Amino acid sequence: KNQVEQSPQSLIILEGKNCTLQCNYTVSPFSNLRWYKQDTGRGPVSLTIMTFSENTKSNGRYTATLDADTKQSSLHITASQLSDSASYICVVNGNTDKLIFGTGTRLQVFP
Amino acid sequence: DSGVTQTPKHLITATGQRVTLRCSPRSGDLSVYWYQQSLDQGLQFLIHYYNGEERAKGNILERFSAQQFPDLHSELNLSSLELGDSALYFCASTTTPGLYNEQFFGPGTRLTVL
Repeated sequence: KNQVEQSPQSLIILEGKNCTLQCNYTVSPFSNLRWYKQDTGRGPVSLTIMTFSENTKSNGRYTATLDADTKQSSLHITASQLSDSASYICVVNGNTDKLIFGTGTRLQVFP
Repeated sequence: DSGVTQTPKHLITATGQRVTLRCSPRSGDLSVYWYQQSLDQGLQFLIHYYNGEERAKGNILERFSAQQFPDLHSELNLSSLELGDSALYFCASTTTPGLYNEQFFGPGTRLTVL
């Protein structure tokens, strides 16, 4: 069964600190992996999209990595800000345009 | 602001009722996707329309239906509502279907069934 699992479920960090979120997937075949940021009660917003041939991609303070061999991805957030408080969702695309979503990691950044 | 609009923002109704959720895609986008997000669950793909035609179905119940109109806006109809249908419903749009196209999400409609 095609699945996307994320860890941790929730994370609390202090402002200015770095953190890394994990994503493991079993989707096959695989075409791309996306990370979305979802503020509470809002729609998800795309952070990065990576194909199987890309192993790292950055968007400002967000850096995503992908290991297509082990089917793992991570999202690293540098110098966290209060506005980073949100859910971060790992999304995998197989060979159709149906996206398969993880349940997300809820990040809280405190001052 | 993604450019995708959804109405209404909130909807409260009773079991057994029928509701219609509306989505207007970004200007120029031909594809509309509908998703359901229940409490503490990931988004679940419901259905995809491209230029007025149904293109793919996901885990959509028979009580639910959708359509895309000539002006490209889309409606999701939910009937015989049950308590378990309470969720956030999102639509997303892209220019055309494609494995690598970014989907732009609307702000969602929060449905509460009492």
